[in-house]
Amino acid sequence: DSGVTQTPKHLITATGQRVTLRCSPRSGDLSVYWYQQSLDQGLQFLIQYYNGEERAKGNILERFSAQQFPDLHSELNLSSLELGDSALYFCASSKREILDTQYFGPGTRLTVL
Amino acid sequence: EDQVTQSPEALRLQEGESSSLNCSYTVSGLRGLFWYRQDPGKGPEFLFTLYSAGEEKEKERLKATLTKKESFLHITAPKPEDSATYLCAVQEGNTGKLIFGQGTTLQVKP
Repeated sequence: DSGVTQTPKHLITATGQRVTLRCSPRSGDLSVYWYQQSLDQGLQFLIQYYNGEERAKGNILERFSAQQFPDLHSELNLSSLELGDSALYFCASSKREILDTQYFGPGTRLTVL
Repeated sequence: EDQVTQSPEALRLQEGESSSLNCSYTVSGLRGLFWYRQDPGKGPEFLFTLYSAGEEKEKERLKATLTKKESFLHITAPKPEDSATYLCAVQEGNTGKLIFGQGTTLQVKP
């Protein structure tokens, strides 16, 4: 158990819908990261927050957005869902902003029908 | 373009048969190289961090090494429970972004 929690574990929804994925970092960690893992693309970095501020962005779609709240938990919002958005979404956390080990949560499996 | 390539894609070993997994990278400024283990449907589990060429880290049957262009994960006398996908990732620049390779899926048969 890494100490990072994610909810829900599974999410099944329809195209065009909007969902919210939630992540609680390890105690004391200030940095939160979101990654997407699909069969053909592997693990892809989406976005990083550090102490509530956005710090880095990967190839995150405009339909996707995220935020980190004052209690340091984070939410990833996915809207206008498409079939291709079906994937595992992982959250990771670390204490420092850079040069630090990232610990991953168990993931949320999103299925878009 | 920053890139991480892992080889082989898949590896089948007999229990006790030692081998190595390779991770080669091309990044403009390496900040750190990370090895993770991932079981099917689970989150990546941290194994090692290497920061500079020549560095080595060991944990049970696993040993990770780093050169200026690649890293190796050596598995000594593997057991069936070592079966998993092993992921290599690099961190570069001034962000926490990790660039992952496609992974090596290891199967150890008893």
